[in-house]
Amino acid sequence: AQSVTQLDSHVSVSEGTPVLLRCNYSSSYSPSLFWYVQHPNKGLQLLLKYTSAATLVKGINGFEAEFKKSETSFHLTKPSAHMSDAAEYFCVVRPFGGGGADGLTFGKGTHLIIQP
Amino acid sequence: DTEVTQTPKHLVMGMTNKKSLKCEQHMGHRAMYWYKQKAKKPPELMFVYSYEKLSINESVPSRFSPECPNSSLLNLHLHALQPEDSALYLCASSQDFSSGQSYEQYFGPGTRLTVT
Repeated sequence: AQSVTQLDSHVSVSEGTPVLLRCNYSSSYSPSLFWYVQHPNKGLQLLLKYTSAATLVKGINGFEAEFKKSETSFHLTKPSAHMSDAAEYFCVVRPFGGGGADGLTFGKGTHLIIQP
Repeated sequence: DTEVTQTPKHLVMGMTNKKSLKCEQHMGHRAMYWYKQKAKKPPELMFVYSYEKLSINESVPSRFSPECPNSSLLNLHLHALQPEDSALYLCASSQDFSSGQSYEQYFGPGTRLTVT
């Protein structure tokens, strides 16, 4: 079984400052990990994914995440926040090579607030 | 084209009505999914179709009835819903999960359903 914990329900940063959204995972198999973003009243957009290749993953809109197996973490970062980054962010895990019949397991989400 | 489309965008229905939600993708994906998302919560998996066959039903009440007429289309038929069924219904698709590979899911914008 797999699970994911997003350590902060809300994160507030000033525009132009770094963003850090924290995620820890638990998986019986080598996991695939994803970050999705959801703007208000919209569907989910894939930001980036980790599937056992490079541990530092670059995504869209300047976001990146680092897979750390020893810490079972997959934190999302961005060097400089923009007002348009304000949204809900979901860390998602899925077993890799485990049949994948479980679908996606979502964290509870982190609401990112950008202060002008 | 990485687009998943959903119609309608908004739906208001009474508890005795019958309605359907529609989802379409033209990416050649063979796995399609329905999720339900309540306000300020992560999406919850409802159904999974693989190669047009229902492979996962997450103990969803029978008033929700999925259908996959072909590899590009996914419907969700609604009948005798309750007010607590009001939510955002998201459709997603991915290449396939049966091979053991873990492919990312692409989400549509959702249908906002209100049951009165």
